[in-house]
Amino acid sequence: AQTVTQSQPEMSVQEAETVTLSCTYDTSESDYYLFWYKQPPSRQMILVIRQEAYKQQNATENRFSVNFQKAAKSFSLKISDSQLGDAAMYFCAYSGYGNKLVFGAGTILRVKS
Amino acid sequence: NAGVTQTPKFRILKIGQSMTLQCTQDMNHNYMYWYRQDPGMGLKLIYYSVGAGITDKGEVPNGYNVSRSTTEDFPLRLELAAPSQTSVYFCASSYPGQGAPFFGQGTRLTVV
Repeated sequence: AQTVTQSQPEMSVQEAETVTLSCTYDTSESDYYLFWYKQPPSRQMILVIRQEAYKQQNATENRFSVNFQKAAKSFSLKISDSQLGDAAMYFCAYSGYGNKLVFGAGTILRVKS
Repeated sequence: NAGVTQTPKFRILKIGQSMTLQCTQDMNHNYMYWYRQDPGMGLKLIYYSVGAGITDKGEVPNGYNVSRSTTEDFPLRLELAAPSQTSVYFCASSYPGQGAPFFGQGTRLTVV
């Protein structure tokens, strides 16, 4: 079974600075997707960024980018120019055969002004 | 376009009561899912469906039942509610092969 591990329960960043959230996963599948979801206090699950495993190029969405290392099974999220609105719980998730998402335990991101 | 709609948003149940959490989507997605999120944790898959008439168990199915009679609706039934079922429940849907499900707003359920 696939597993997703987020080793940082909590992270802090100063406003306007950069922070990286870590994620590793375990799978024997060759074709899959990886995601980062943001969950603010409203508890809505918001897709931040997605990465197809067959693509070598790292995904980027505005201030959010990933470092996808397929051989190492690592998928970190970098947030540049952090804003107060970025404060939330961030979940790394894996989707392989059957489209079933497997989630990590989450990382709470705090942004200091 | 409403996306994924869950009702109710909040509910308090007494031990042993039953209820149905409703989920409907208007995106014509084949795949639908039910997840639960315990405090401070990630989401765990309860049940999923790849199309009308087809359902299958996820990681934590005990104490729950589902049905999928239409593409749009995927209700989750709790029989004999227990305190361990206190959680936030999310419904989600997706197209096959496109990865990222869309989530509903969640239902906060407390069993007392």
